[in-house]
Amino acid sequence: DAGVIQSPRHEVTEMGQEVTLRCKPISGHNSLFWYRQTMMRGLELLIYFNNNVPIDDSGMPEDRFSAKMPNASFSTLKIQPSEPRDSAVYFCASSLTGNLGNQPQHFGDGTRLSIL
Amino acid sequence: AQSVSQHNHHVILSEAASLELGCNYSYGGTVNLFWYVQYPGQHLQLLLKYFSGDPLVKGIKGFEAEFIKSKFSFNLRKPSVQWSDTAEYFCAARGFQKLVFGTGTRLLVSP
Repeated sequence: DAGVIQSPRHEVTEMGQEVTLRCKPISGHNSLFWYRQTMMRGLELLIYFNNNVPIDDSGMPEDRFSAKMPNASFSTLKIQPSEPRDSAVYFCASSLTGNLGNQPQHFGDGTRLSIL
Repeated sequence: AQSVSQHNHHVILSEAASLELGCNYSYGGTVNLFWYVQYPGQHLQLLLKYFSGDPLVKGIKGFEAEFIKSKFSFNLRKPSVQWSDTAEYFCAARGFQKLVFGTGTRLLVSP
């Protein structure tokens, strides 16, 4: 059965351009997470949603970053304008929201973003 | 604040060697613990998880981890590694709200 689906898999663009990353969580999962992975800082949580509502966006690096979840089956992470230091692999993950926080997250394949 | 520490950034082993990757977390309350693996070019996959009960948890591919509450540790072990275990391993902890990841340990197994 389908896992978390992210698109595009790879994105190469010039600095200053708007970048939109997309994520479709696993059907029935009500928590969605956006992560950024770099060699320098490892895996960082950017933002997460519960039932389509942003709960914690303290990891979003700057105002250039924004995320939306208009419905339970779709989320976007937008960077505008993009900068070379935004180059990273961006992962989306989803999970059920367990009361005890014991539900594992399922990760998508990631979007490899390169800003030139 | 909740945090997870993985002390070894890089580990190099020969095939059949035993593996232990350290993980310590800081959180005073009830915590759920996870180990994820990321094979080269792939996404993170769950290896094993601890919620409660037996502190020795067995996961996929022969991995296990032991929760030692007094030491705030959740070390990952495997008695005999294979070349295919070459990957990056992430420890993660969830206390009150969000899941917090360690910085990862890059394991290289030489044939």
